[in-house]
Amino acid sequence: DTAVSQTPKYLVTQMGNDKSIKCEQNLGHDTMYWYKQDSKKFLKIMFSYNNKELIINETVPNRFSPKSPDKAHLNLHINSLELGDSAVYFCASSPRDSSGELFFGEGSRLTVL
Amino acid sequence: KQEVTQIPAALSVPEGENLVLNCSFTDSAIYNLQWFRQDPGKGLTSLLLIQSSQREQTSGRLNASLDKSSGRSTLYIAASQPGDSATYLCAVPDTNAGKSTFGDGTTLTVKP
Repeated sequence: DTAVSQTPKYLVTQMGNDKSIKCEQNLGHDTMYWYKQDSKKFLKIMFSYNNKELIINETVPNRFSPKSPDKAHLNLHINSLELGDSAVYFCASSPRDSSGELFFGEGSRLTVL
Repeated sequence: KQEVTQIPAALSVPEGENLVLNCSFTDSAIYNLQWFRQDPGKGLTSLLLIQSSQREQTSGRLNASLDKSSGRSTLYIAASQPGDSATYLCAVPDTNAGKSTFGDGTTLTVKP
């Protein structure tokens, strides 16, 4: 069983469209994250949720809206897509305790044309 | 603000060599440090997690050390193999903000 799973794995869309990426973890973790990896492979935090509550919003444009229906799911909705949004988006989770070990999904590669 | 640096950015070695990857961080008040491997087009796979109270962790041919006082960690790979070729990243949790800061990675190529 996949611990952290994301869908879709690949997403190709036109500028101006709205799209969503879904993430689910079956590890029983309280904290989930969205990270963005750009073309230079730099990995940056976007959002962090702890037990469905937003705890980090790292200067991300408000076109990006995370939603956590329960602590096992964290979805990412992106409005009015721009060329610069093209990247790989990774979902991750960790236990609430200070061990903080991160577990990552396989990533969702978004290409905006 | 925590900053994490990895040196070198790229490394190419012949098969069988022992090698060391470096990770340095600016704020020594850390819970732990985690090493990951990323293959092209894939997600991040956790290799080793060192808690702040530990000095090293070992898994197979991998050994990670942690020196909090100097803000450094090393990942030692023994008897490297072509299958070790990947990008290796280290990450440090921010103790106050519930997130991790990543280094930019070291891309390792092991030539047969």
